[in-house]
Amino acid sequence: ETGVTQSPTHLIKTRGQQVTLRCSSQSGHNTVSWYQQALGQGPQFIFQYYREEENGRGNFPPRFSGLQFPNYSSELNVNALELDDSALYLCASSGLRGGRDEQYFGPGTRLTVT
Amino acid sequence: DAKTTQPNSMESNEEEPVHLPCNHSTISGTDYIHWYRQLPSQGPEYVIHGLTSNVNNRMASLAIAEDRKSSTLILHRATLRDAAVYYCILRQYGGSQGNLIFGKGTKLSVKP
Repeated sequence: ETGVTQSPTHLIKTRGQQVTLRCSSQSGHNTVSWYQQALGQGPQFIFQYYREEENGRGNFPPRFSGLQFPNYSSELNVNALELDDSALYLCASSGLRGGRDEQYFGPGTRLTVT
Repeated sequence: DAKTTQPNSMESNEEEPVHLPCNHSTISGTDYIHWYRQLPSQGPEYVIHGLTSNVNNRMASLAIAEDRKSSTLILHRATLRDAAVYYCILRQYGGSQGNLIFGKGTKLSVKP
């Protein structure tokens, strides 16, 4: 059984640019959630996808958007990057709609915006 | 989701038991108590969850107060690998959305 994987591991971008982060869910899981974790803080929920549709969203602006593909992998896109977007971006997959069961997290992508 | 309160940090000695407390005085009847931990440079990892009764698994035990307003995560014999941030999270079941709401958690240090 393959766990949750994320790419890239690290990324450096300039303010105003756009970035795409990728996540492959654990085998058999149809729900993917994305979280942002600033240094020293707990992860904050961005949004969740269930069977290719958005299934809930946290308090993040529209420049944070996502996609889920038929194989349940997912992308997080962030437009017009700001310095405060520097953080660890985590994705988590689960087997029940809404992530009501255990969520399995990937190792994260560390994004630095300069 | 209701809020939880945890100490910012705790220390333990290796091979001794560790009791990590969590207060959740506004818990509702449909809230499950979940614990996740995050080792350095890794994503969070599920530890255990429960509703009313105490729960045991291979990683830890969860003791839930009779009024459910507090709970304690018990690591029976701490190892150096247990040094992590431990998050206590309330999750309401029954809806279609089950995102996790993390606080700052408790940073556990384990001394050899």
